[in-house]
Amino acid sequence: NAGVTQTPKFRILKIGQSMTLQCTQDMNHNYMYWYRQDPGMGLKLIYYSVGAGITDKGEVPNGYNVSRSTTEDFPLRLELAAPSQTSVYFCASSYSGGMEPRNTQYFGPGTRLTVL
Amino acid sequence: KQEVTQIPAALSVPEGENLVLNCSFTDSAIYNLQWFRQDPGKGLTSLLLIQSSQREQTSGRLNASLDKSSGRSTLYIAASQPGDSATYLCAVLRMYSGGGADGLTFGKGTHLIIQP
Repeated sequence: NAGVTQTPKFRILKIGQSMTLQCTQDMNHNYMYWYRQDPGMGLKLIYYSVGAGITDKGEVPNGYNVSRSTTEDFPLRLELAAPSQTSVYFCASSYSGGMEPRNTQYFGPGTRLTVL
Repeated sequence: KQEVTQIPAALSVPEGENLVLNCSFTDSAIYNLQWFRQDPGKGLTSLLLIQSSQREQTSGRLNASLDKSSGRSTLYIAASQPGDSATYLCAVLRMYSGGGADGLTFGKGTHLIIQP
């Protein structure tokens, strides 16, 4: 299993540009997450999904959008990139048979984004 | 709002020492607590997950404890090695009052250096 994969690894954007960060997992996990990590800080939740077709906002959703059309993929869209969105973005997934995601979250390697 | 604090922020010890990393959280209504390792420029690797009903978990030289009522967890590393050098992150899964949960709330981490 590849686990959680993210593309691209690195990207530089100009202010106002848009892009999509890709995330795919091959573990048949129902829960998927997007976090961002700023230097010297812990990770903060952007969006999450409890299954295909269901997404919800996390702590810092402004400036981002997500969709979940399949179990495997959970892309994160940045519209009108701003310098404040310079960060490292991590995708994660976990499995739960109930309504609470009690099991281990597995993380991808991250996408390092710089907005200039 | 759940807040997670990790002490110390940085720690440097000689190889072979036993050490303790501390994590505290403000809201005891949690499903579980996870300890992660993060190497520079890399993603997160899950080390241990403790469910709210458990007191501790062990994996090799690592032992994590959880005292939910006091909002504290410790990660004990025995016989430290230079390969243990990394940033260690603590994260909790908060329980909503109506059931369910979103993503993890992270501390800022402890940067650990093991001197050869």
